[in-house]
Amino acid sequence: GAGVSQTPSNKVTEKGKYVELRCDPISGHTALYWYRQSLGQGPEFLIYFQGTGAADDSGLPNDRFFAVRPEGSVSTLKIQRTERGDSAVYLCASSPLVPGQGFEQYFGPGTRLTVT
Amino acid sequence: AQSVTQLDSQVPVFEEAPVELRCNYSSSVSVYLFWYVQYPNQGLQLLLKYLSGSTLVKGINGFEAEFNKSQTSFHLRKPSVHISDTAEYFCAVSKLGASGSRLTFGEGTQLTVNP
Repeated sequence: GAGVSQTPSNKVTEKGKYVELRCDPISGHTALYWYRQSLGQGPEFLIYFQGTGAADDSGLPNDRFFAVRPEGSVSTLKIQRTERGDSAVYLCASSPLVPGQGFEQYFGPGTRLTVT
Repeated sequence: AQSVTQLDSQVPVFEEAPVELRCNYSSSVSVYLFWYVQYPNQGLQLLLKYLSGSTLVKGINGFEAEFNKSQTSFHLRKPSVHISDTAEYFCAVSKLGASGSRLTFGEGTQLTVNP
């Protein structure tokens, strides 16, 4: 079946611009996560949605970052006034949260964001 | 809070040799443990996971890992590697029993298999 998809695969923007990154989770998965992976690093947690609500947004680095999941499926990560330090690969994952499966997360291919 | 330390940033090995990628974790609560693999320009793929029960866990592509609670380790092993195993490997933990708990990743180990 279809996995997690993310669009665009690559995004180049100028410093100060606004960007939106989209994530389509696996159908029926109630949990959705955003992570950020900088070059040479492991992914770092940003935010977790359970259904439509953000259950944990403690990983968002500052108030320029915001994410929504209005219908409990597709999610959009929004970054205002982008800075060069925001350049990274943004990963989305979804999970069915089935008891006994350890809340396994399924990852998309990521969006590579470059801020010039 | 949890943290994960992958003790080797790069591991070069020859084809058909055995390999061990080391992972230690720190947590004030019990955790689930995972190994993910990332091939170039691809997303993360789950190799294996430890939830409970037997401490020796077998995953895909011939990999296995052993959970050692006293040493807080979860090392990944393969008895004979192939060129196609060349990739970045990430160890990760999440809180046991916490619905929707985030994954905390190590910094990764680049495995390079040479002919």
